[in-house]
Amino acid sequence: DVKVTQSSRYLVKRTGEKVFLECVQDMDHENMFWYRQDPGLGLRLIYFSYDVKMKEKGDIPEGYSVSREKKERFSLILESASTNQTSMYLCASSSAGPRTGELFFGEGSRLTVL
Amino acid sequence: QQQVKQSPQSLIVQKGGISIINCAYENTAFDYFPWYQQFPGKGPALLIAIRPDVSEKKEGRFTISFNKSAKQFSLHIMDSQPGDSATYFCAAKGRAGYSSASKIIFGSGTRLSIRP
Repeated sequence: DVKVTQSSRYLVKRTGEKVFLECVQDMDHENMFWYRQDPGLGLRLIYFSYDVKMKEKGDIPEGYSVSREKKERFSLILESASTNQTSMYLCASSSAGPRTGELFFGEGSRLTVL
Repeated sequence: QQQVKQSPQSLIVQKGGISIINCAYENTAFDYFPWYQQFPGKGPALLIAIRPDVSEKKEGRFTISFNKSAKQFSLHIMDSQPGDSATYFCAAKGRAGYSSASKIIFGSGTRLSIRP
C-alpha cells in the first residue's frame, strides 16, 4: 500500500525553538509538498519540490524553509517557531507527468507553539 | 492570495439528497481540477478530478461539472449518505509548461454533514 509518513503526529514546542517536520514517501514520487491546514483557510501551500535539491516557494513561505536531500524525504524547518505557526501540517507527494495533480497525503503533524 | 474560492463553508443535507459544493478560480493557468475528501484525523484523499477539455465527469455517485468560460466547477454528490460526511476541498493544478506546473492550490474547504 502506498504511503506518505510524517514523523510526528503531535508536537508541542516553545516560541523561538527550531522545529523539524519530516516526511517520507515510498512511491518514488518526484514531487513533494508541504501544506498547512487552518480552519476556514483550507490548505495553504508552504513549499514544494519537483526534484532532489530543488524547491519552489508556495503561497506562504515566510518563516519556513525546506530540505530535500533524497528523493523520498522532504523536511520542513521552522527556524524560530512562533505562536502563529500553531497549525496542522500536511505533507504530500505526487508523480511527475499527467498524474502530477494526484496528491497522496500523510496523516498530518499537529504543531502547537507555546 | 486565494486563487480558488470555495462555497459554502458548511453544508447539511438529508440522507438521500444531493450535496452541491461550488468552486471558482481566478486565472486560466490551470489544467487539472481535483476534489479531495478528508475525514477527521486523516489526510485528504483524492476523490475525483477533471481536465478543462470536458464539461462533466461522473464516478459513481460523484459528479464534477466544469464551466470553462465562467471559470467555475462544482461537485455533486447524489443520494448522499452519512458516510459521505467529511470535509471536501476543491483544488487546481498549474498548467504544464509553466514554471508552476507542479503547484497545486486548494479552496478553503466545505464541511459536509449528512443527516440520517
